Parts: sequence; structure tokens; C-alpha cells
Amino acid sequence: KQEVTQIPAALSVPEGENLVLNCSFTDSAIYNLQWFRQDPGKGLTSLLLIQSSQREQTSGRLNASLDKSSGRSTLYIAASQPGDSATYLCAVAVDSWGKLQFGAGTQVVVTP
Amino acid sequence: NAGVTQTPKFQVLKTGQSMTLQCAQDMNHEYMSWYRQDPGMGLRLIHYSVGAGITDQGEVPNGYNVSRSTTEDFPLRLLSAAPSQTSVYFCASSSSRNTEAFFGQGTRLTVV
Repeated sequence: KQEVTQIPAALSVPEGENLVLNCSFTDSAIYNLQWFRQDPGKGLTSLLLIQSSQREQTSGRLNASLDKSSGRSTLYIAASQPGDSATYLCAVAVDSWGKLQFGAGTQVVVTP
Repeated sequence: NAGVTQTPKFQVLKTGQSMTLQCAQDMNHEYMSWYRQDPGMGLRLIHYSVGAGITDQGEVPNGYNVSRSTTEDFPLRLLSAAPSQTSVYFCASSSSRNTEAFFGQGTRLTVV
């Protein structure tokens, strides 16, 4: 069974510092990997989707890498801002129907 | 642009009661799914659908029922509520198997 792990569970950084969030998965047979943001009491917002054939994906200050062979993905957020404070979740698509297996998330606090 | 709409936002049930959580999307997406989110455990897949009339079980289907009679709607039925079903429930949709998932705002359910 695919297991997805996100370490650390919580992270606090000063404003302006770059954020590095880690996601690891046990089975390299994935169809894609997605990073989501969740604000307290809200739903999930998709940030980036990396297809299994891709190595990285970028959107603005966000960059995500994927290394299937080692079972790892990293989300980089450049020049963090207080508005980046949220929980970040990664999920892998485990079959051709796109069913998602989620990690427990990393709670990020960016202090002014 | 409504996206994925879930109702109700909050619900309190007594043990043994039944209810239906509603989910509707206006993006003409074929793929819809239900997840539950519990503290420290991430999101877990309950049921899944790849189109009208087609559903499949996820990781934690016991105690829940689904059907999909239209593309837009994917209701989740709790047959006989139990305290273990206290959770936050999210509905998601995507246009195909390898595209980003869109999530609703969630339904917070408490079973007493």
C-alpha cells in the first residue's frame, strides 16, 4: 500500500526566508503528484501538479520537483510572506483512475 | 464561478441517524470523489466516481453509500451515523484522471 509522508509536521520561518517542504512516498509507480494548500477551516487549493514523466513544475514563487526513483518531491516557496502561512499537503495519484493518497501535511507559519 | 459546492457546512447528528452530504460541481467534470480528514491522518478516500452510473470504493467505504445519477452531483449517504464518523468531509472533482483536483469547502460533521 502506498504511504505518503511529510516531514516536518510543522515549520516556522521569518518573512523573506525560502521555504522547503518535503514529501516522500513508498511506491514509485505513481501517475502524478499534486501539492495543495489548505487554510484553516477551508478546502484544499491545488498549487502544482507534476506528471509522472516530469521532473519539476513552476508557478510564480513556487517550484516543485519530483524524483520518482527515490520517492521524493520537494516544494520550494521563494521569499516567503505571512500570507503563505497555511498547511501544505502533497498527494500522489495511485492508479489510472487518479485516486489520491495524501500525506498528513506540513503546517507553515511565516512570521513578520 | 461556483466550482465544487458542498452542503451543509456544519452538521450534528445523533448516533444511528442517517443523512446525506451534498456535493455539486458546475465544471462538467467526469471524476468526483469523497474524502474524510481526521487530525494527524491526512485525507482518506471514501468513494469515487468516474462518470454517471460508475462508482468505486476507496480506502474507508464502510458506513457510507454513494450513487451518481448525473455528472453534476455526487451525494454521500451515512446510513447509520456512528461517533467514529465525526470528521471533516471533502468532495473533489477533476476533468480527467491526470488533471488537478478541485475541492469543496468541506462539511464538518459531529456525531454524538
